[in-house]
This record gives sequence, C-alpha cells and structure tokens, in this order.
Amino acid sequence: QVMLTQSPSASASVGASVTLTCTLDSGHSDYDIAWHQQQPQTGPRFLMRVNNDGSHSKGAGIPDRFSGSSSGAERYLTISTLQSEDEADYYCQTWGSGIQLFGGGTKLTVL
Amino acid sequence: QVQLVESGGGLVNSGGSLRLSCGASGFTFSDYYLSWIRQAPGKGLEWVSYISESSFYINYVDSVKGRFTISRDNAKSTLYLHLNNVRAEDTAVYYCVRGSQSFDHWGQGTLVTVSS
Repeated sequence: QVMLTQSPSASASVGASVTLTCTLDSGHSDYDIAWHQQQPQTGPRFLMRVNNDGSHSKGAGIPDRFSGSSSGAERYLTISTLQSEDEADYYCQTWGSGIQLFGGGTKLTVL
Repeated sequence: QVQLVESGGGLVNSGGSLRLSCGASGFTFSDYYLSWIRQAPGKGLEWVSYISESSFYINYVDSVKGRFTISRDNAKSTLYLHLNNVRAEDTAVYYCVRGSQSFDHWGQGTLVTVSS
C-alpha cells in the first residue's frame, strides 16, 4: 500500500523561500500527488497537482509564489517570498488502487 | 464559482446515527466524483469515502466499512454520508470534496461530535 511521508514541521522567515517535501514509498515512486494548504481555523484549500514528471497544475487563484516539482520518489512544494499568511499546515495527497491517502502534514511557521 | 456546503453535523450518542449532506453549485454535479474527508480534533486529514459520477464506484476507508454509507442525488446536486453505529473516534470535522484523483475543491466542513 502506498505511503506518504512529510516532516512534521518547517520554518522560514518572511520574504525567504521554503521547500516542503513529500516522499512516496519506494514501491510507488511514480505516483502523482496533490498539495493542500490549511490555514489556522479554516478548511483545506487545493494548491496544485504535482506529476511524476515534475510538471504541476495549480488551482484557481493560487499565487505564482507557489510552485511544485519532483525528483525520484520526492514531490516538492516551494513557496517563495514567504508572507505571514503562508503560515499553515500543508498536506500532500495521493491516490491509487481504489483508495485516497494523505501525508501526515507539515506545519509551516513563518518567522 | 464552485461551492460545496456541508450540513447535518452535531452531537450524537455513541452507537447512534446521523446524516450529513453536501449541497453543490457552480459546476455540473453529475460530471464529478465526490468524496468525504474527515479531520479529528488536532489531527491530520483522513479520506473516508468516495462515490463516482453515477454511483457505480464506491469505496470506504476500512475503519468505517459497514457503518457509513455514501450516496448522491444528481438531480438535487447533493452528496450524503449516512453515519451509523458511530464511535468516539468518529468525532471530526467532515469535509465534502470534489475530484477523483486530486481534490480540487473543498467545503467548509461540518463538525460531528460523538458522546460516549
């Protein structure tokens, strides 16, 4: 069964860039994933889909500061020019064999 | 614009039942898979169930199989989740989401609290 691994926390300063990582298990390293953002006390929001080939497609209204990429079993979400409102939980999600799965989430703190 | 609005949450006794609804607008409801996702207090996201456009394909996470039932009414653009024999661990915010692979739109959620 597919597994997704995310670091529990990350931090970066306002104006800086940060890259969050979602790692697929070795048996499913070619899977596509999606990234979702959950700001405090709100429901999640779809950010983008990141494909195995490194291409990505963003949701409506997602700023250009957000981008996605891929390398091997790792899928990345890069946020440039961090703003205070980027402080949130970020979840990766994948699908296959009739199920859907989320990673444990990364809590991003903007300093 | 796409809107998904959940309702029906509340306080329910352990072993009881509840029906959640999700009203959709802004897109052709019958063209999309839909899912329910839940989030226990202070925890991460957990997929619960999905249903295909015509209700032909349905699946559930193992922990709710035999207790929860997903359904949809395409004429009313409404998704449902029937929760039966609820347990304390079913306490969560339940979100309605659109999509068969990546979930591209989320509702605001409805809180289900199971009292033991």
